[in-house]
Amino acid sequence: GNSVTQMEGPVTLSEEAFLTINCTYTATGYPSLFWYVQYPGEGLQLLLKATKADDKGSNKGFEATYRKETTSFHLEKGSVQVSDSAVYFCALPRGNEKLTFGTGTRLTIIP
Amino acid sequence: NAGVTQTPKFQVLKTGQSMTLQCAQDMNHEYMSWYRQDPGMGLRLIHYSVGAGITDQGEVPNGYNVSRSTTEDFPLRLLSAAPSQTSVYFCASSYAGPNTGELFFGEGSRLTVL
Repeated sequence: GNSVTQMEGPVTLSEEAFLTINCTYTATGYPSLFWYVQYPGEGLQLLLKATKADDKGSNKGFEATYRKETTSFHLEKGSVQVSDSAVYFCALPRGNEKLTFGTGTRLTIIP
Repeated sequence: NAGVTQTPKFQVLKTGQSMTLQCAQDMNHEYMSWYRQDPGMGLRLIHYSVGAGITDQGEVPNGYNVSRSTTEDFPLRLLSAAPSQTSVYFCASSYAGPNTGELFFGEGSRLTVL
C-alpha cells in the first residue's frame, strides 16, 4: 500500500538558513501529496500540496515539488524564521478515504 | 468560525475506566476521522466516517468505538482504558475527503491512562 518515509529529526537551524526536509513515497499511480505542519500546542494544518507529477506546491515561503522519477516530495525554504519552528509531516492518500502520515520532523530555529 | 472542536483537552484515567472524547465540526463536512499521535510514530488512523450513519476502521481500531448519528458530531469511546492508549488524540474533518481535500484538525485531547 501507499506509504511515506520521512527524514528523521530533530533538525536545528539558525535563523535565515536554508531548509530541506526529505520525504520519499511508495504509491500506486500518482496520488496527491501533502505537507502538514503542527505548531506547538496545536493540531495539524495543511501547509501545501501537489496533485500531480511535476507540480510544485508552495505556501508561506515553503515549496515542494512532486518528482515521480525519484518518488520524492522534499520540503524546502530558502530562509527560515523562528516562527517556522514546528513539526512537519509528509502525507499521501491510501485509497479514497484514508491519509497516511510520515513520522514527522521536528524543526527548531535558533535566533 | 469554531472549526473542529475537541473536548476534553486533557484527561487522566485509571486502567479499566471508560470515557468518550467529543468531536464537533461546524463546517458541514461529510468526512470525519480520529487519529492518535505517539512519539516516533506519526499519526495513525483509528476510525473514520464518510457521512452520518457510516463508520469504518482505520489502522488501529482495537479498544475504540465510534458512532456518527449527525453530520456534526463524531465521538470516540474508549471502552476499557489501557496504558497503551495513553496518547494525544486528534479529530479531523474534510469536505472532499482526505485524498484530495484539506483535513481540518482539532487542537487535540491529551489522554493519560494510569
